[in-house]
Amino acid sequence: GQNIDQPTEMTATEGAIVQINCTYQTSGFNGLFWYQQHAGEAPTFLSYNVLDGLEEKGRFSSFLSRSKGYSYLLLKELQMKDSASYLCAVPNSGGYQKVTFGTGTKLQVIP
Amino acid sequence: NAGVTQTPKFQVLKTGQSMTLQCAQDMNHEYMSWYRQDPGMGLRLIHYSVGAGITDQGEVPNGYNVSRSTTEDFPLRLLSAAPSQTSVYFCASSSGTSGGPAYEQYFGPGTRLTVT
Repeated sequence: GQNIDQPTEMTATEGAIVQINCTYQTSGFNGLFWYQQHAGEAPTFLSYNVLDGLEEKGRFSSFLSRSKGYSYLLLKELQMKDSASYLCAVPNSGGYQKVTFGTGTKLQVIP
Repeated sequence: NAGVTQTPKFQVLKTGQSMTLQCAQDMNHEYMSWYRQDPGMGLRLIHYSVGAGITDQGEVPNGYNVSRSTTEDFPLRLLSAAPSQTSVYFCASSSGTSGGPAYEQYFGPGTRLTVT
């Protein structure tokens, strides 16, 4: 089976940096996803990590440590529009068709 | 491309009624999935399909049926609605083996279902 843990809520200040952590347990690792979901909307894909290390995409970066079962999403130069839930997810060992999502971290950006 | 579309956007059912939630995608994706999202529970997989004619159960399949007669469409049927099925339902698709990054899922806008 698969298990994912994320903090439920976080608050950060506009212009600052915030790190959202995710720990996971899976029987066969097949990568890790991060999705963003604004209130009342559908999730949208942010990143995919399958190798250890940091992947940078503009203001967003995602880090993975497979040996520790740990990932984080780093958001820099926070903007008010970054207020959203951030979902960590892992596919099962058989492939990408079965994905387990964490409960998500609700980030509030304050002025 | 419209991407992933879902109808209806909102629905209210009485206990025991049946209905079908529609999902369609125009990206020629092989993989399609249905999720439900409840407060504090995250997205949970109901059923998924890896191609036309092939479906399988996810984490919470009871009370739901699916079929996949075409690549484009993946309807979700509620057989006899119960209050526990009040939720937001999302359909998603990904390319699978048909090209493009198989891992990225595209989600529809969701159907908000209330069962009274």
